[in-house]
Amino acid sequence: AQKITQTQPGMFVQEKEAVTLDCTYDTSDQSYGLFWYKQPSSGEMIFLIYQGSYDEQNATEGRYSLNFQKARKSANLVISASQLGDSAMYFCAMVGMDTGRRALTFGSGTRLQVQP
Amino acid sequence: NAGVTQTPKFRILKIGQSMTLQCTQDMNHNYMYWYRQDPGMGLKLIYYSVGAGITDKGEVPNGYNVSRSTTEDFPLRLELAAPSQTSVYFCASSSKSGGGGYTFGSGTRLTVV
Repeated sequence: AQKITQTQPGMFVQEKEAVTLDCTYDTSDQSYGLFWYKQPSSGEMIFLIYQGSYDEQNATEGRYSLNFQKARKSANLVISASQLGDSAMYFCAMVGMDTGRRALTFGSGTRLQVQP
Repeated sequence: NAGVTQTPKFRILKIGQSMTLQCTQDMNHNYMYWYRQDPGMGLKLIYYSVGAGITDKGEVPNGYNVSRSTTEDFPLRLELAAPSQTSVYFCASSSKSGGGGYTFGSGTRLTVV
């Protein structure tokens, strides 16, 4: 079984500043994947970034980077140069690859508000 | 490509009524999932399927049923709707390889009154 913990219910950041959203995970699988999704007020789930457990380098996608610390079981999302459009809910999720289930397990989310 | 299509987008049900939430994907994905999202919370897995004819329970299956007769379709059935089933329902699909390849539908907002 997998578990995701997001301890920041809400975060504020000034426009153009960087922000880190925390995520810790727990799993007994040797192979797993970590994801971040953005959910704006319109409700859709938008995929941001993915990190595989055996990837040696931290994943980056434009202004998003995933700070993967395997020993600490953490997968924090870093958003650089925040924009007003980044205001949304952010969910950390993971999938265990050792079984055939492949279902994502989600955290409770962090609401990010970007202030002008 | 349409991706994952969910219908309806909104629905109001009375207590005790039944309904089916439809989900169709056109990506030939083996894996399909149903999640529910309560206000201010993360997504919880209701049921999933690893291929046509194969389904299994997730974290919160009570009050729901699913079937998977084709690769494309994965309907979710609510029997005897209860106020506790008021939620937003997301269908998703993925290929076997996982990675970043999860596609979500736009969601169905269900209210049970």
